[in-house]
Amino acid sequence: GENVEQHPSTLSVQEGDSAVIKCTYSDSASNYFPWYKQELGKGPQLIIDIRSNVGEKKDQRIAVTLNKTAKHFSLHITETQPEDSAVYFCAAIISSGTYKYIFGTGTRLKVLA
Amino acid sequence: DAGITQSPRHKVTETGTPVTLRCHQTENHRYMYWYRQDPGHGLRLIHYSYGVKDTDKGEVSDGYSVSRSKTEDFLLTLESATSSQTSVYFCAISDLRGQGDEKLFFGSGTQLSVL
Repeated sequence: GENVEQHPSTLSVQEGDSAVIKCTYSDSASNYFPWYKQELGKGPQLIIDIRSNVGEKKDQRIAVTLNKTAKHFSLHITETQPEDSAVYFCAAIISSGTYKYIFGTGTRLKVLA
Repeated sequence: DAGITQSPRHKVTETGTPVTLRCHQTENHRYMYWYRQDPGHGLRLIHYSYGVKDTDKGEVSDGYSVSRSKTEDFLLTLESATSSQTSVYFCAISDLRGQGDEKLFFGSGTQLSVL
């Protein structure tokens, strides 16, 4: 069935360095790709999203890229700060035919001061 | 967390007992969801609602039932709790579904332990 693979499961970076989290989806009908950040003890919160007709989107220090041919999308965080430490989830949404909202398994990011 | 309140925040119960988790929203969003979060599985949909008294199953619905008698409240019930239902449960809401731009807003979660 449809799934979203997310890598790596854990990632440690030095403060100020960049972090990249990658996701691969299986269903080419996926057309919306949000990213959620989950801080300890809280629910996931949407931080950025991208539609299938766009290749890249930026919002300050975070950016998302989408390669529809390869079915890959990635989250890029530049100039990482300690407050970026959290679990990040990608998701792929299929809204044509049978609707599905499928989450990746999450990446725990640790920013080391 | 976007006007979403989950209760209780923590619950410890025994195998075989019924448990009800509550989600209350003040956003007047049409769609409400219950997810469970487990290590290695991410977030998995249990049930969702698309209106008062309108609900449907998600991918892991066995052992769970839901009810929505008011727009603002969505209840998740474990009829007879099992240890495999030990998890963190999240309620989410959205005002769109099936339109390609669905942003989910999550509550703070309920940590449920079934002993």
